[in-house]
Amino acid sequence: SYVLTQPPSVSVAPGQTARITCGGDNIVSYSVHWYQQQPGQAPVLVVYDDTDRPSGIPERFSGSNSGNTATLIISRVEAGDEADYYCQVWDSSGDHRDVVFGGGTKLTVL
Amino acid sequence: EVQLVESGGGSVQPGRSLRLSCVASGFTFDDYAVHWVRQAPGKGLEWVSSISWNSDSIGYGDSVKGRFTTSRDNAKKSLYLQMNSLRAEDTALYYCAKGSGSSIGTLDNWGQGTMVTVSS
Repeated sequence: SYVLTQPPSVSVAPGQTARITCGGDNIVSYSVHWYQQQPGQAPVLVVYDDTDRPSGIPERFSGSNSGNTATLIISRVEAGDEADYYCQVWDSSGDHRDVVFGGGTKLTVL
Repeated sequence: EVQLVESGGGSVQPGRSLRLSCVASGFTFDDYAVHWVRQAPGKGLEWVSSISWNSDSIGYGDSVKGRFTTSRDNAKKSLYLQMNSLRAEDTALYYCAKGSGSSIGTLDNWGQGTMVTVSS
């Protein structure tokens, strides 16, 4: 089955740019989605199809996908962005249809 | 406003069964795929199951295959997860999530979850 690899943690100072990576074999051939999970809350979709934002998500959140790495980019980081972030793809290769999550990255705002 | 409300969680002994429900509102339920995702205490998200809008396509994660069964009742706007032969490692918060219109594999709305604890 397809595997997504994320760093366990990323730290960034307020006002700086955070980059959270998601590695997978030829991940560029997949549409990558990103979720933010605040402590004690359900996940929220913040980026879908590599680069698009759902309504209500600040423009500070963006994404990219190239080669074997997809990246969630959070510009002008705020204290409220401190959360766990998960990447995810829909693996419909072969005869299965699976939702695949990365292991998650804890973003700490210093 | 899209709402997904899970119920049916609780404490159960290993080997027993439990049935979770998820009631949807605020959207045309039978137009969308829906998913179950779980999260063990202090751990990451784990996909459990997905079901297409018409129940023609149902998938399961390897850890639950053969023990869990997903179904839906579009008339009742409800999603179900029948969990049999429960194990301690099934202890988790179980979320239901709606697939988006453009991609069933994009989970664009989530419920708040229902907790399942498997312990003797």
